[in-house]
Amino acid sequence: DTAVSQTPKYLVTQMGNDKSIKCEQNLGHDTMYWYKQDSKKFLKIMFSYNNKELIINETVPNRFSPKSPDKAHLNLHINSLELGDSAVYFCASSFSLGGGNTIYFGEGSWLTVV
Amino acid sequence: QQQVKQSPQSLIVQKGGIPIINCAYENTAFDYFPWYQQFPGKGPALLIAIRPDVSEKKEGRFTISFNKSAKQFSLHIMDSQPGDSATYFCAASKRGQNFVFGPGTRLSVLP
Repeated sequence: DTAVSQTPKYLVTQMGNDKSIKCEQNLGHDTMYWYKQDSKKFLKIMFSYNNKELIINETVPNRFSPKSPDKAHLNLHINSLELGDSAVYFCASSFSLGGGNTIYFGEGSWLTVV
Repeated sequence: QQQVKQSPQSLIVQKGGIPIINCAYENTAFDYFPWYQQFPGKGPALLIAIRPDVSEKKEGRFTISFNKSAKQFSLHIMDSQPGDSATYFCAASKRGQNFVFGPGTRLSVLP
């Protein structure tokens, strides 16, 4: 039973399109995240969501918007896709933010913009 | 001050060797230092973690050494195996704030 699941796993799309990635966690966690991992493997935090409220936005372009219908789901919408958006996007969750919490990552969504 | 530095960027060892990955931080408010392991095609997963009140933590073949005064910590993998080949991320956090991840180290363990 997957703890953090995200769909789709692979996504190839053209520049200018709008796309969404869905994420669900079944761990009962209050905090969810979106991370971007580029080709150099850097893990960059994009959003943190605590119990449906955005708590930190790490200067991500406003073409990216998180949507959380409930605390178990955090979807990522991307408008007007650009070539530089090509990356692996990881959804993750933890009991709460920071401190001694363990972050549980999904398996990633590979986005390729052509 | 929020940055976590990590070295080396990549590392190749023979089976049985002891790879060592080093990390350094600036923010003395950090109070939790985990290491995450990422296999190709997978998300990162917690490997081992330490708090600054201890100098060493061992779990199986994995050991964290922590030097609070130098603001440095390192991961040692004893008797490394080809199955340990992965990307390793150190991180630092404090309560109520996002984790800060290092840039990662790609480890290859040759058979």
